[in-house]
Amino acid sequence: AQSVTQLGSHVSVSEGALVLLRCNYSSSVPPYLFWYVQYPNQGLQLLLKYTSAATLVKGINGFEAEFKKSETSFHLTKPSAHMSDAAEYFCAVSDPNNFNKFYFGSGTKLNVKP
Amino acid sequence: GAGVSQSPSNKVTEKGKDVELRCDPISGHTALYWYRQSLGQGLEFLIYFQGNSAPDKSGLPSDRFSAERTGGSVSTLTIQRTQQEDSAVYLCASTKLSTDTQYFGPGTRLTVL
Repeated sequence: AQSVTQLGSHVSVSEGALVLLRCNYSSSVPPYLFWYVQYPNQGLQLLLKYTSAATLVKGINGFEAEFKKSETSFHLTKPSAHMSDAAEYFCAVSDPNNFNKFYFGSGTKLNVKP
Repeated sequence: GAGVSQSPSNKVTEKGKDVELRCDPISGHTALYWYRQSLGQGLEFLIYFQGNSAPDKSGLPSDRFSAERTGGSVSTLTIQRTQQEDSAVYLCASTKLSTDTQYFGPGTRLTVL
């Protein structure tokens, strides 16, 4: 099985500040990793994904994430927050025994202050 | 093109009643997922369909939950004898490959009174 931990259910940053959203998973087997974003009143959409290529993955809207096997982490970052980044972010990790099955974290709501 | 659609968008039912939730995936997507999102929780995997293969039902929380996918396209999630703890947003997603991007529908918000 797999567990996914997103530290901080709410994160607040000032506009222009660094965004860091944390995601850790439990399995030692390199999984497939995804970050999804849910803007207010919208469905989930893919931000970026890691599927065993480069460990630093770039996504949409200036976001990127780095797969660190030794730390079993896949933290999401953006150098400079924008007001439009306010949303809920979900980390998703594949099951090490079944790559068709995914486990999602409980989500982190990002608030961007002017 | 059209995205994933789900119906109804909202469903209010009484405890003990059966409900059916529908998902229309993106045309050509062979894989379809159902998830449940309870208040303040992440998405909980329920079931996965891939083409004509037997579905992966390992996430269904009880035998009151079932799902089918007719003709490799539309899927229906059925909850029998609903309980208050079934109240949640039920999300459907489709994709071409399981390791590819999942495209999510808007969800069905189920409220069991």
